[in-house]
Amino acid sequence: DGGITQSPKYLFRKEGQNVTLSCEQNLNHDAMYWYRQDPGQGLRLIYYSQIVNDFQKGDIAEGYSVSREKKESFPLTVTSAQKNPTAFYLCASETTGNTGELFFGEGSRLTVL
Amino acid sequence: AQSVTQLDSQVPVFEEAPVELRCNYSSSVSVYLFWYVQYPNQGLQLLLKYLSGSTLVKGINGFEAEFNKSQTSFHLRKPSVHISDTAEYFCAVSEKGGSYIPTFGRGTSLIVHP
Repeated sequence: DGGITQSPKYLFRKEGQNVTLSCEQNLNHDAMYWYRQDPGQGLRLIYYSQIVNDFQKGDIAEGYSVSREKKESFPLTVTSAQKNPTAFYLCASETTGNTGELFFGEGSRLTVL
Repeated sequence: AQSVTQLDSQVPVFEEAPVELRCNYSSSVSVYLFWYVQYPNQGLQLLLKYLSGSTLVKGINGFEAEFNKSQTSFHLRKPSVHISDTAEYFCAVSEKGGSYIPTFGRGTSLIVHP
């Protein structure tokens, strides 16, 4: 079955450490997104990529980095520069048709100790 | 740029009662509209979408929504809710002819009581 796989599901890290969240899709979608979700704040866009080897900052990109070397993969690194990294992170890809309809992964919950 | 307002952060309702979750948007161009559902510790799942045509859109799990252009609204309704409908619901909008990057509302928590 086609879908998006995010790993790990739960992750704990110490302050000052970088951590990378994986996102892999087998839907053959061109565009991929990373959102951050905090209680009561909805989804905020971190980065997005519309084609391989190209990505753009979203609304809250500071303290995060991404790469898009393959169509299937869009990993997100949460760096030590991110002031408040504890959150639920969602990866998504955009369905064909250029409407903004997204297909989401199951999410990764990052907790900084 | 577009924006989305979900007017209620939490909606409590009894089982088998009707429910309406409100969503208003702002945009200077024509839009696509979406409702997603999120169960605890899971990703979002598409409930329904308005792209064009009939303003009344039917989705999964018995939900429907009506696009009202004059009121810039896209309210979600269900005539009779179940306990299993307890979840977070998100409204989203993207602009036609633009970048198609969707903007999400802050979410409405639907709590169904027995």
